[in-house]
This record gives sequence, structure tokens and C-alpha cells, in this order.
Amino acid sequence: DTEVTQTPKHLVMGMTNKKSLKCEQHMGHRAMYWYKQKAKKPPELMFVYSYEKLSINESVPSRFSPECPNSSLLNLHLHALQPEDSALYLCASSQGTGQGPNYGYTFGSGTRLTVV
Amino acid sequence: AQTVTQSQPEMSVQEAETVTLSCTYDTSESNYYLFWYKQPPSRQMILVIRQEAYKQQNATENRFSVNFQKAAKSFSLKISDSQLGDTAMYFCAFIRYNNNDMRFGAGTRLTVKP
Repeated sequence: DTEVTQTPKHLVMGMTNKKSLKCEQHMGHRAMYWYKQKAKKPPELMFVYSYEKLSINESVPSRFSPECPNSSLLNLHLHALQPEDSALYLCASSQGTGQGPNYGYTFGSGTRLTVV
Repeated sequence: AQTVTQSQPEMSVQEAETVTLSCTYDTSESNYYLFWYKQPPSRQMILVIRQEAYKQQNATENRFSVNFQKAAKSFSLKISDSQLGDTAMYFCAFIRYNNNDMRFGAGTRLTVKP
């Protein structure tokens, strides 16, 4: 299995809702990532989990809460979002640091989030 | 901080022709990796090619090759025999050796015309 699977593919939520984005990989990768991508812009790094521990938080507002239950799963919990949080949310995975050369990240196809 | 610059917002090429996309980066590191990713309308980021900074030989993957100039901090992508399926956004990316913080350039939208 060489894929990163993200669910759901599309999500519409109100500003008072609580929802979660899910990401799964079975490549034995030990690093997982959340990126946010606005239209016609590059992906922006949000969070990095390395060996199931949060290693990078790019000053993301607390209404976004990441969780890594195990080495294969990554969640992003959403609460009280704003319309400007509407974007494509990409999950990625890679070998952990110290595991040899960096062969790049494998990305999922993303969740298109719309906040109304 | 590392920055990645793609100075061509949009480019077009005729099918079967060759096109080169530009990328420059700024870093004080000596060991790092560079990548080109493709993002078609299906929105999935697809790895096209990678380059290890300590290797002088330019990477090649079928129709895709790079011109890596470490001293000039330049990393361009050449696509030969362009195909309609090459139409996509192309992002140049940088990551420091033994780190987890891949950063992307602004992207170049490539259109291959029949």
C-alpha cells in the first residue's frame, strides 16, 4: 500500500460545529503532516508529528487540534472555525528523520473544507 | 529561514515540445533535499523528481530532468516531449537534511496545448 487516505473528501460545516478530518497510511512512515492550501497558493505547513509526537506547530490557532493516535493515523479536530479557514487540507507522510535519505512526502488527495 | 522562489506564475507549451520551469532557493545549509511536485486538478500532490544537495549529478526521471546549480541555489525542471497530462501546478520544494519542515514555492501553472 503506497497511499495516504484522507476522509472525508468534502466537508461543509457551520462555525459552531465540531468535526474531524482523518488521515491514514500503511507505508510504515513515522512522520505525518497537515498542510493547509488556499486556492492558487502553495501548501502551508500546519503540524508535524514525528514518531507519534507533535514536533512542529506553525502557530496554528487552537481551533485546530491535531491528534496522532498511532503511527498510521492522524486526525485534525476542528471547532469554531471561521469562513477564512475554508481551504484544502492535505495530509502527508514520510520516513522519520534518522531513517536514511529523504525520499519526499506522500500526499493524500485532501479534504475540501467549506466553513459557512 | 529557508525560502523558495518560483518566478513564473504561468507557462504554456505545445504538446511534444520542451519546457523549463525555474526555481531558486535561499539557505545557509549545505545538506538538504529539493523536490518538484505536480498538482493536477485532481488536487493530489505527486512527486515528480528529487535531488540530494550533496550529489552533483542532476536527477532524471524519464521525461523529467533537473538542472541543479548548488552555488547559484538554482533548481530548474525540464519537461521533454510534453504531454497533455502534464498540465498541472508545479511546486518546487526544499527540506533541510534530517528535518521535517518541507517548504514550497508559490508554484507555476503549466498548460500543455494540443
